[in-house]
Amino acid sequence: DVKVTQSSRYLVKRTGEKVFLECVQDMDHENMFWYRQDPGLGLRLIYFSYDVKMKEKGDIPEGYSVSREKKERFSLILESASTNQTSMYLCASSLTRGYQPQHFGDGTRLSIL
Amino acid sequence: AQKITQTQPGMFVQEKEAVTLDCTYDTSDPSYGLFWYKQPSSGEMIFLIYQGSYDQQNATEGRYSLNFQKARKSANLVISASQLGDSAMYFCAMSIQGAQKLVFGQGTRLTINP
Repeated sequence: DVKVTQSSRYLVKRTGEKVFLECVQDMDHENMFWYRQDPGLGLRLIYFSYDVKMKEKGDIPEGYSVSREKKERFSLILESASTNQTSMYLCASSLTRGYQPQHFGDGTRLSIL
Repeated sequence: AQKITQTQPGMFVQEKEAVTLDCTYDTSDPSYGLFWYKQPSSGEMIFLIYQGSYDQQNATEGRYSLNFQKARKSANLVISASQLGDSAMYFCAMSIQGAQKLVFGQGTRLTINP
């Protein structure tokens, strides 16, 4: 089975801090994604990556950046955390062949105080 | 623009009954894929079932089936013989043009009553 592992289930940080959310997948998937999930808004795509060192903006990239130095790891960075970035963050990965399901990690509930 | 609409914010069903969760989609692209995911209260997103736009038959996976009506642009999830463990949020999602990005609906919260 595909395993997507997010580094923390719960995280509390302060405004202005630089925050790193890490995601690792073990199935050699080419594609990796970061979403945030908010009540009433569903899942919104922040960034995604089709290959190592490649990144593409999603629907809500403002205030975030990403890094993909190795195929299995995709990091989401909040450069200067703000309270409106308090949310559930979900990482996913998938293969690039036709229409493939994305496989998700357990999510990180991030609170910015 | 591509869009997924789930019109049922919440549904309550008796255990062992069948339940249909609605999903309509909007795209002008002839090639697309439709997915359903389950999200229990613990938070993880679980892939349930997939339907391709060119598939001739409705997809089935165990107790899950997808009622795909292409002309109506609907892809409803049917859960047969519901169980208490089916209580969760359910999301419909679409991918177009072979791209791996997914567009999600806002979800339906399903509650199974004993």
